Amino acid sequence: GAGVSQTPSNKVTEKGKYVELRCDPISGHTALYWYRQSLGQGPEFLIYFQGTGAADDSGLPNDRFFAVRPEGSVSTLKIQRTERGDSAVYLCASSFGAGGPIGTDTQYFGPGTRLTVL
Amino acid sequence: DQQVKQNSPSLSVQEGRISILNCDYTNSMFDYFLWYKKYPAEGPTFLISISSIKDKNEDGRFTVFLNKSAKHLSLHIVPSQPGDSAVYFCAASWGNQGGKLIFGQGTELSVKP
Repeated sequence: GAGVSQTPSNKVTEKGKYVELRCDPISGHTALYWYRQSLGQGPEFLIYFQGTGAADDSGLPNDRFFAVRPEGSVSTLKIQRTERGDSAVYLCASSFGAGGPIGTDTQYFGPGTRLTVL
Repeated sequence: DQQVKQNSPSLSVQEGRISILNCDYTNSMFDYFLWYKKYPAEGPTFLISISSIKDKNEDGRFTVFLNKSAKHLSLHIVPSQPGDSAVYFCAASWGNQGGKLIFGQGTELSVKP
């Protein structure tokens, strides 16, 4: 497909468990972003990759959250010891990541993974 | 600390009329503003943007206005169509923050035939 894909689309887990959420960006996009959207709120920035490296991880709420992008394409968001407050839709976006003024590099979002922690 | 605010959670407009969605921000460092549109079970899709050096940007039925002194921007849709019914998010970024976007809470627009 041509767009950003995220798997799984839904994930239900129990409190304390470990989860991994996957993002496949648009081919050729060097920048990748993770956001979290809670009910009734807008997306909240978590982390931004330029290539393989995390350029900005200031939005990760605590050390239970970790993300990787080892080959500069697919990314995995990992959440350890999940808590009920982690329940949200996790959105991934990608962009070309090069050239132009900051902010003009349009981010294309995937459909999200709905995480429910029981 | 909500740096980008959309104070109207919902808006209902008649088909063919103008829809005006509002957004306020507090951080004077923001230099780029965007509007995204979101349908249920889909990710947000980019709609239109504006640089802080401009006060208006138009793309077809969509126009974004920026009032820097008031730290306010608005999205005008005219004429509104039923397919415009969605949640609209205002977002902002600034130069030294990479691609990090700060989003508002969203406004749900309903365009009635």
